[in-house]
Amino acid sequence: SQQGEEDPQALSIQEGENATMNCSYKTSINNLQWYRQNSGRGLVHLILIRSNEREKHSGRLRVTLDTSKKSSSLLITASRAADTASYFCATARSGQAGTALIFGKGTTLSVSS
Amino acid sequence: NAGVTQTPKFRVLKTGQSMTLLCAQDMNHEYMYWYRQDPGMGLRLIHYSVGEGTTAKGEVPDGYNVSRLKKQNFLLGLESAAPSQTSVYFCASSTNPGSGELFFGEGSRLTVL
Repeated sequence: SQQGEEDPQALSIQEGENATMNCSYKTSINNLQWYRQNSGRGLVHLILIRSNEREKHSGRLRVTLDTSKKSSSLLITASRAADTASYFCATARSGQAGTALIFGKGTTLSVSS
Repeated sequence: NAGVTQTPKFRVLKTGQSMTLLCAQDMNHEYMYWYRQDPGMGLRLIHYSVGEGTTAKGEVPDGYNVSRLKKQNFLLGLESAAPSQTSVYFCASSTNPGSGELFFGEGSRLTVL
């Protein structure tokens, strides 16, 4: 089963507004990652936040992590039309066969100008 | 530096036919992954490999086989294609997914009639 679940499934905003996406996960983690996917393209890594971090920034991106609630949020400030994409959270699942990243179903963000 | 390259990019198969998707990476990564992406389902892990000569099952391995004979290549095979395998397939690689990012290919769109 998928580890992370994003919320909302879809989000529509105007340019200049902030966009917030949430991710909930089920088991304990070492880190949580966020990825972006433009239509018809592969995923691109945005940011990684470790379990001992509560907040991390990268340009217009702000990620928070609450391990007690098993949740993370991605905030995109001052959104642009070019931010239109799907956003996925991912967590690492480790087992005897090694480590794999498990992705959520994603949030589709539409930014209109 | 090509990164992660998938071939073919598009393929149409008839039910029962077989085919192989090739993923090649030039970053000397140990870890390689095959995901499938279906509308509303996000990315689901099919198989993965933690090094040359190793493979492991992911979330949805049935109907697929994989091989990692060379470190830079990860092959995904469909022995007898079914319409349910119509999907977009993504390959990814990483040095260590537990602490680092995945690099994705651009995807292979497969249609099974």
